[in-house]
Amino acid sequence: NAGVTQTPKFRILKIGQSMTLQCTQDMNHNYMYWYRQDPGMGLKLIYYSVGAGITDKGEVPNGYNVSRSTTEDFPLRLELAAPSQTSVYFCASSPGLAGGHTSTDTQYFGPGTRLTVL
Amino acid sequence: DAKTTQPNSMESNEEEPVHLPCNHSTISGTDYIHWYRQLPSQGPEYVIHGLTSNVNNRMASLAIAEDRKSSTLILHRATLRDAAVYYCILRASGTYKYIFGTGTRLKVLA
Repeated sequence: NAGVTQTPKFRILKIGQSMTLQCTQDMNHNYMYWYRQDPGMGLKLIYYSVGAGITDKGEVPNGYNVSRSTTEDFPLRLELAAPSQTSVYFCASSPGLAGGHTSTDTQYFGPGTRLTVL
Repeated sequence: DAKTTQPNSMESNEEEPVHLPCNHSTISGTDYIHWYRQLPSQGPEYVIHGLTSNVNNRMASLAIAEDRKSSTLILHRATLRDAAVYYCILRASGTYKYIFGTGTRLKVLA
């Protein structure tokens, strides 16, 4: 079991460029999440998905897009990169619980992608 | 979203117990208390969670105050590998998201 994998590990972008951060999980989890973590801060939720074809915004969605065509993959797209998007990006997944009882659902995080926009 | 308050940093000697406090005075009756930790240069990892009763697992114990307005994560014997940022998070029933604060940075001294 690889768990949650993210590529690339590091990336430097120029202002205005675009890129896709890849996230894959092999645990057959229904729920997937994208967070960003700025230096010295906690994680902020960008987008999440409760299943293939279903996505929703988190706290800080502006400047990002997501799609979920399969259970395993949840790519995050940055359009027109800006210096404010310099951050470490974490993808996570969780199984979700029957009956929508998500209070005890545990999230499993990937190793992160460190992105710098210059 | 209910908020939590944690000290910015704490220190502990190796092989001694560590008590990491968390205040959550606005907690509601259906909020679960979750703890995650983030080792250097890694993603967060789950530690423990609870609702009302104290909880134990192989990593730690969680002590929850009777009024649920505070909780304490207990590491029984700190090791150097426990040096991390520890996040206390409230998870409301029916919600999918975690709201992370800035956490407590634990330093373990050899």
